[in-house]
Amino acid sequence: SFVLSQPPSVSVAPGMTARITCAGDSVTIYGVHWYQQKPGQAPVVVIYSNSGRPSGIPERFSGSKSGNTATLTISTAEAGDEADYYCQVWDIGGDHRVFGGGTKLTVL
Amino acid sequence: QVQLVESGGGVVQPGRSLRLSCVVSGVSLSVSEIHWVRQAPGKGLEWVAGISYYGNTHNSYADSVKGRFTFSRDSFKNTINLQMNSLGTEDTAMYYCARVRDGGFFDKWGQGTRVTVSS
Repeated sequence: SFVLSQPPSVSVAPGMTARITCAGDSVTIYGVHWYQQKPGQAPVVVIYSNSGRPSGIPERFSGSKSGNTATLTISTAEAGDEADYYCQVWDIGGDHRVFGGGTKLTVL
Repeated sequence: QVQLVESGGGVVQPGRSLRLSCVVSGVSLSVSEIHWVRQAPGKGLEWVAGISYYGNTHNSYADSVKGRFTFSRDSFKNTINLQMNSLGTEDTAMYYCARVRDGGFFDKWGQGTRVTVSS
């Protein structure tokens, strides 16, 4: 099945912009979804279908895709954004759901 | 309001079986795709199994559990189950059930149930 590659960690200063990437062949074909997971909690979707933002998610969170790479952008980063972030696609052809390895975002 | 509540986790010896359940409220299973996602300690998310209505209704499984795990649905009780056989230490994880929305993303998650496979 497809593999989604994410950087293990990203650091950002408070108030600055963080970008987390997700690369893979499946990104060119399928919609990409992004989840935020804080310690001890279940994941929460922050971006769906490349750039959709669920209700309740701040506008500071946005998503984009170009070629085989999707990007989650967090503007004006806050301490509360520190979390693990995962990308995910639905591999329709293989009938599998695939997650990236996750990226730990540190706001320092 | 849609809620998912998992149960059935625990400590089990290698080679044994365990059955997880996920009670869904606020929506009917007949119109909801529910899947299982697990997370080993300190590791990332891994999709495990679920029911899909894309094309014909069918269950799908990750390669790592195919042939050992069985997904089932009890529409009367609005519950989904995951029968896990031949468990190995690699199956130790928090198991979440989650609802899938159009486009294939998980919009609602349970709080998880922990499975530990250890002798």
